[in-house]
Amino acid sequence: DIQMTQSPSSLSASVGDRVTITCRASQAITNYLAWYQQKPGKAPKLLIYAASTFQSGVPSRFSGGRSGTDFTLTISSLQPDDVATYYCQKYDSAPFTFGPGTRVDIK
Amino acid sequence: QVQLVESGGGVVQPGRSLRLSCAASGFTFTSYGFHWVRQAPGKGLEWVAFIQFDGTNENYADSVKGRFTISRDNPKDTLYLQMSSLRAEDTAVYYCARDGYFYDSNGYNPKGNDYWGQGTLVTVSS
Repeated sequence: DIQMTQSPSSLSASVGDRVTITCRASQAITNYLAWYQQKPGKAPKLLIYAASTFQSGVPSRFSGGRSGTDFTLTISSLQPDDVATYYCQKYDSAPFTFGPGTRVDIK
Repeated sequence: QVQLVESGGGVVQPGRSLRLSCAASGFTFTSYGFHWVRQAPGKGLEWVAFIQFDGTNENYADSVKGRFTISRDNPKDTLYLQMSSLRAEDTAVYYCARDGYFYDSNGYNPKGNDYWGQGTLVTVSS
């Protein structure tokens, strides 16, 4: 099975900073890669699908990209409301594996 | 609006069974596949099971294969997860999630889990 890793596992940045999270697949996968945001005590929320397409209602400061087997989630200007854990997920075929998550805090 | 509401969680002894339900509303239930995803306390998300829109295809994580069964009752707009031979490591919040999609010039395109329920907690303990 394909494994998904994320880096860093956690980060702390200042309001207004540019933040990038990387998700790597253990083998080549399609563009069927999603990013989710989960705030404490809440269900996950879909942010980006197909590696770089915004889900409706997601702020434009979030963006997704791809380079080979590496996928990135970038927050262009970190806001207090962005404090959360972010997960990537491959959803092309089973098993629909999630990455281990990246916790984002405000410094 | 789209709503998914899980129920059926609780405390159960190891080796026993439990059935979770997920009631859907606000959209055409029969047009979508669904997933169960769980999250152990303080841990990350773990995909558990998937069922296709018409119920003809199911997939399971290795950790639950042979013990859990996903099913759906289309007339009732309800998704289920039958869990048997429960273990302490099955303790988690269980979420149901809709398998989203969109159409473009290339036809059908999946988009991941676009709506989630609020989750139901299953605790396996003696």
